[in-house]
Amino acid sequence: DAGVIQSPRHEVTEMGQEVTLRCKPISGHNSLFWYRQTMMRGLELLIYFNNNVPIDDSGMPEDRFSAKMPNASFSTLKIQPSEPRDSAVYFCASSLRSSGRTEQYFGPGTRLTVT
Amino acid sequence: GDSVTQMEGPVTLSEEAFLTINCTYTATGYPSLFWYVQYPGEGLQLLLKATKADDKGSNKGFEATYRKETTSFHLEKGSVQVSDSAVYFCALGHGGGGGADGLTFGKGTHLIIQP
Repeated sequence: DAGVIQSPRHEVTEMGQEVTLRCKPISGHNSLFWYRQTMMRGLELLIYFNNNVPIDDSGMPEDRFSAKMPNASFSTLKIQPSEPRDSAVYFCASSLRSSGRTEQYFGPGTRLTVT
Repeated sequence: GDSVTQMEGPVTLSEEAFLTINCTYTATGYPSLFWYVQYPGEGLQLLLKATKADDKGSNKGFEATYRKETTSFHLEKGSVQVSDSAVYFCALGHGGGGGADGLTFGKGTHLIIQP
């Protein structure tokens, strides 16, 4: 089975540009999570969805960040406009929300550099 | 809110040495506890978990016991190998089997095993 797929793996962009990160969860999983990893703050939860519905977006840093999940097999995280402080590795994870087995499976991450 | 504190590295050991990575947490309710491992350039992989007090999670020679009285989940391995070199994250989660909602991570411990 394919794991969580993220694209692109690396993204370099200039300040002010729009950036879109993409995630395909594991087939059959019904929860999807976006995390950000930086040296200073470690791994932080940005937002998560259950059955395509956003449940908790309290970790989204500001209005420049938005996430969507139009269907069970695709999600995007958009930053508009991007800033240098957004440089980080962004991870997507998915899980099957059922009693007793809700381990999160992580994608390889997208390394974003904003210059 | 929830928080996880773990020893920061790097931790450098010789092959076959005994490993302990400390992890303590602060949380409401009764969270599940996890250890994830991240190899260079990859996403996080679940190493082991424990869902209630006194549970012991184990995998690949690693063990950790959920100690509610000390709010700890220390990771141990009796004899480390060079291939264990990675970054290890302690995390907690609520809901379902513990990972149904977003996870709260520690900052990570970089482990280096020298031959």
